[in-house]
Parts: sequence; C-alpha cells; structure tokens
Amino acid sequence: GAGVSQSPSNKVTEKGKDVELRCDPISGHTALYWYRQSLGQGLEFLIYFQGNSAPDKSGLPSDRFSAERTGGSVSTLTIQRTQQEDSAVYLCASSQSLGTNEQFFGPGTRLTVL
Amino acid sequence: AQSVTQLDSQVPVFEEAPVELRCNYSSSVSVYLFWYVQYPNQGLQLLLKYLSGSTLVESINGFEAEFNKSQTSFHLRKPSVHISDTAEYFCAVSEDTGRRALTFGSGTRLQVQP
Repeated sequence: GAGVSQSPSNKVTEKGKDVELRCDPISGHTALYWYRQSLGQGLEFLIYFQGNSAPDKSGLPSDRFSAERTGGSVSTLTIQRTQQEDSAVYLCASSQSLGTNEQFFGPGTRLTVL
Repeated sequence: AQSVTQLDSQVPVFEEAPVELRCNYSSSVSVYLFWYVQYPNQGLQLLLKYLSGSTLVESINGFEAEFNKSQTSFHLRKPSVHISDTAEYFCAVSEDTGRRALTFGSGTRLQVQP
C-alpha cells in the first residue's frame, strides 16, 4: 500500500517568508508526527497529532511554528517569518493509535532558507 | 525524560567483517526500542524493534539487536556486513505511556569498505 507522502520534496525560500509543508499519512493511521532533522541538532520531535487534536506540541521551537490536521488525515506544518536556522529536513511519520507506536516515515521536505 | 546515546558517530568496517553499533538509553518508565536506517539521500526506514517478549530481535537483512534492561542497552549487530549496508543508523526510544514521540540518538554512520 501507499506509504507516507510529503510535499514539496524541496523548498527554497527567502528569510522572512512563510512556508507550508504538507504530509499525507498512511491510510487508517490516526497518529501523525512531525520531526526535524538538521546537522546541528539531529532528529528532533516537533508535534504529535491524535486524530485532529495535538496532545503534544512540546517540540515546536517557537511560536512561528504551527501545525494543523484536518479530517484525521492530511497535516500541514506552517513556519512563519522563516529564519536561516529553520533550514532542515522536515519529516512526517504516522502510526496506528493503539499498540506499539511503530512509526512509518515519509521522505521528508528539505527546507532551505536563504 | 528519556534520552538515547549512540557512542560512535562513525564506524568504518571492511566488507564481510562483523559490526556492532552501540545504543544506550535512559528512561524512568518502560520503553519500546527501535533501530532506523537512513540510506544516502533516502528517508528513515524501520530496521527492527523491541516491544516485549524475547530480548533478541532480528531483521530480514541479517541485523539483530538485543535488549538488555540491566545495562539499558539495545546494541545492533551484524555478523558479516555488505557494501550495501553503508548508511546512517539511528537508535530510538518511546515510552509505553501516553507520550508517543520518538527520542532519537545522534546516529552512527556505518561505512563499509571493500
């Protein structure tokens, strides 16, 4: 079956612009996660959705970062007023809500802020 | 809070030699443990997982890992590596409680040489 998909695969933007990153989870997976992978910080958790609600937003680095999920499926991560330190690969993962939290990852969106 | 330590950032090894990638974790509650692999220019793929039961878990491509609760370790081993095993390997942990985010180690780059 289809895996987790993310778009765009690459995004180059200018400092100060807003960007939106999209994630389409595996069908039937009610849990969705955003992570960030950067050279300096490794793999960091950003936010977790269960259905359309986000019980854990503890990893969002600032109030410029926000995310939403609609219809229990697609999620959008928005970064406002991008900064150069936001440059990273943003990864989305999904899992079934019950059981062992085995997470399946998408290919990521590489964000470059000039 | 939980944490994961991968002691080796890089492990060079010759083809057909054995390899061990070390992973130690810290957590105040029971955990699930995972190894993910990231091949060059690709996304994260689940390699193997420890959920419960037998402490020795195996993957389809010859890797194995052993959960050692007393030493809080989950080292990854392969008795004979191939060139195609060259990749970055990440150890990750999640709590078997409500907090479902994965905490990753900093990764180990396995470089298999002919």
